[in-house]
Amino acid sequence: SYELTQPLSVSVVLGQTARISCGGNNIGSKDVHWYQQKPGQAPVVVIDRGSNRPSGIPERFSGSNSGNTATLTISRAQAGDEADYYCQVWDSNTAVFGTGTKVTVL
Amino acid sequence: QVQLQESGPGLVKPSGTLSLICTVSGDSITTPYWWNWVRQSPGKGLEWIGEILHSGGANYNPSLKSRVIMSVDKSKNQFSLELNSVTSADTAVYYCARWDGNNGAGHYWGPGTLVTVSS
Repeated sequence: SYELTQPLSVSVVLGQTARISCGGNNIGSKDVHWYQQKPGQAPVVVIDRGSNRPSGIPERFSGSNSGNTATLTISRAQAGDEADYYCQVWDSNTAVFGTGTKVTVL
Repeated sequence: QVQLQESGPGLVKPSGTLSLICTVSGDSITTPYWWNWVRQSPGKGLEWIGEILHSGGANYNPSLKSRVIMSVDKSKNQFSLELNSVTSADTAVYYCARWDGNNGAGHYWGPGTLVTVSS
């Protein structure tokens, strides 16, 4: 089965840039979606199909995808960006989530 | 405004069947979107359970496929999840969600409901 690997945690200084990786075999050939999940809440899409930001998501969120790694970049990090982030792809009609990354803003 | 709401028992006995319903408002369940279930064990990551179209076509997580049944009730604008032979490992928050087709993302989610498997 297809697997997606993310770092357990990422720390970023307030106002600086955080990058969250999502590793998978030839993930560059797939559409990657990124979700933000805050404690006690349902996930929210922050990046759709690799690089598209849904309405209401700040431009500070961006995505890229190539080879075996997709990346979510959070620029000018704010305290409100503290959350768990998950990547997700489809493989053989099955949705696969990454292992999840906890982002801490220092 | 599309809204989804999960409902069902919060406590299920081991070896029993977990049954949840998702009620959709602000959209018709007959639109060409996939209606999904996702769960999250306490302190753990997200796990996709499966999806269903209004026509009844469905895809399930291979690891759960033998225990899962999903269905749609167009008259009530609802879809449902049944998971049988449950164990404590099935204790989780269960979310229902509307996902775009064609390998899309899940843009609309219910708030989630905690189901505990315990005697």
